[in-house]
Amino acid sequence: DAGVTQSPTHLIKTRGQHVTLRCSPISGHKSVSWYQQVLGQGPQFIFQYYEKEERGRGNFPDRFSARQFPNYSSELNVNALLLGDSALYLCASSTGTGANTGELFFGEGSRLTVL
Amino acid sequence: GNSVTQMEGPVTLSEEAFLTINCTYTATGYPSLFWYVQYPGEGLQLLLKATKADDKGSNKGFEATYRKETTSFHLEKGSVQVSDSAVYFCALRSGGSYIPTFGRGTSLIVHP
Repeated sequence: DAGVTQSPTHLIKTRGQHVTLRCSPISGHKSVSWYQQVLGQGPQFIFQYYEKEERGRGNFPDRFSARQFPNYSSELNVNALLLGDSALYLCASSTGTGANTGELFFGEGSRLTVL
Repeated sequence: GNSVTQMEGPVTLSEEAFLTINCTYTATGYPSLFWYVQYPGEGLQLLLKATKADDKGSNKGFEATYRKETTSFHLEKGSVQVSDSAVYFCALRSGGSYIPTFGRGTSLIVHP
């Protein structure tokens, strides 16, 4: 079975541009979470979506947004990119949400470099 | 709030050496504790977990014991292999929150 897949794997943008990252969860998983992992740090929670609804949001500015589609895949959008947005963006899928989130399965990530 | 503190890396060992990576935490309520591993170029994988005090999580020769009295969850392995080279993250989930709090990660380098 395919695991969590993310695209693109690497990308380079310049300040002020916009980026869209994509994630396909494990088949049967209805929840997708997004994390930002800056070099040398642990992952920081950005969003969780379940059944196409936002169920949680971390401490990130409004430049960050996301959505989930009927097939449970998800997009993370970041507008007006800053140098500090350079990071590995991880997607994780799980079966449930809230206290029933269960085990998180992570993709390999999308590495964003902002110049 | 919740926080996780891990020992600074990198940890450099020879093959078959004993490994300890320290992890301490602060949390509200009664957290569940986790160790994740990130191999080069890959995403995080759950290595082991423990959900209550004195539980021992184990997997692939790694183990960690949930110590409530010392708020610790140290990762150990008796004999490391070159293939164990990776970054190891300690994490917790607490108070019914589904959002894990991660430590900064500890890089392990094992030489033949």
